[in-house]
Amino acid sequence: NAGVTQTPKFQVLKTGQSMTLQCAQDMNHNSMYWYRQDPGMGLRLIYYSASEGTTDKGEVPNGYNVSRLNKREFSLRLESAAPSQTSVYFCASSWINGGSYNSPLHFGNGTRLTVT
Amino acid sequence: TQLLEQSPQFLSIQEGENLTVYCNSSSVFSSLQWYRQEPGEGPVLLVTVVTGGEVKKLKRLTFQFGDARKDSSLHITAAQPGDTGLYLCAGGRGSGGGADGLTFGKGTHLIIQP
Repeated sequence: NAGVTQTPKFQVLKTGQSMTLQCAQDMNHNSMYWYRQDPGMGLRLIYYSASEGTTDKGEVPNGYNVSRLNKREFSLRLESAAPSQTSVYFCASSWINGGSYNSPLHFGNGTRLTVT
Repeated sequence: TQLLEQSPQFLSIQEGENLTVYCNSSSVFSSLQWYRQEPGEGPVLLVTVVTGGEVKKLKRLTFQFGDARKDSSLHITAAQPGDTGLYLCAGGRGSGGGADGLTFGKGTHLIIQP
């Protein structure tokens, strides 16, 4: 059972280049998320998709776009990479419990991105 | 933005000692989760607490949610080297049926020395 799979694991870009980070989950979860993790800053939410066909901005969306391709896949695109986007990017998924509290997040193992 | 402050940021202790990690906020959360992260991997859920005053125990780990649902603590008894890792607390508002994502603290780096 793979859970949440992210590709690639490592990437080096030059300033101004573009790339797409891929994420797929096989747990039939409704919701998917993109976080970035930086030293001293913790995990910050970039975008999320509560269900197939919807996407919403998180805390730090500038410079990113997302696509919820289907229920399984949620991609993150950097159109013109900047050194400030050097980070470790985590994709996560969860089910919607319909209640008043958040279900646990299941994370992939991250993509380590360096922008020079 | 709801902030979660974790303390201490770094903690290095000897095997067999006890420790407590704190997670505090000025905001109320509908639930609070604790995760553990190892190098090169994503965070993994340890526990979810949803009721003010709730206490949950997982073997040597004890989690408590404050009465006002603004703070939480993680207590480890008789720490072992396998407990080494980054501990993250995360709060949820429960909006949209719980689909709006979690707010994470910056984490506590815990090292247990043999």
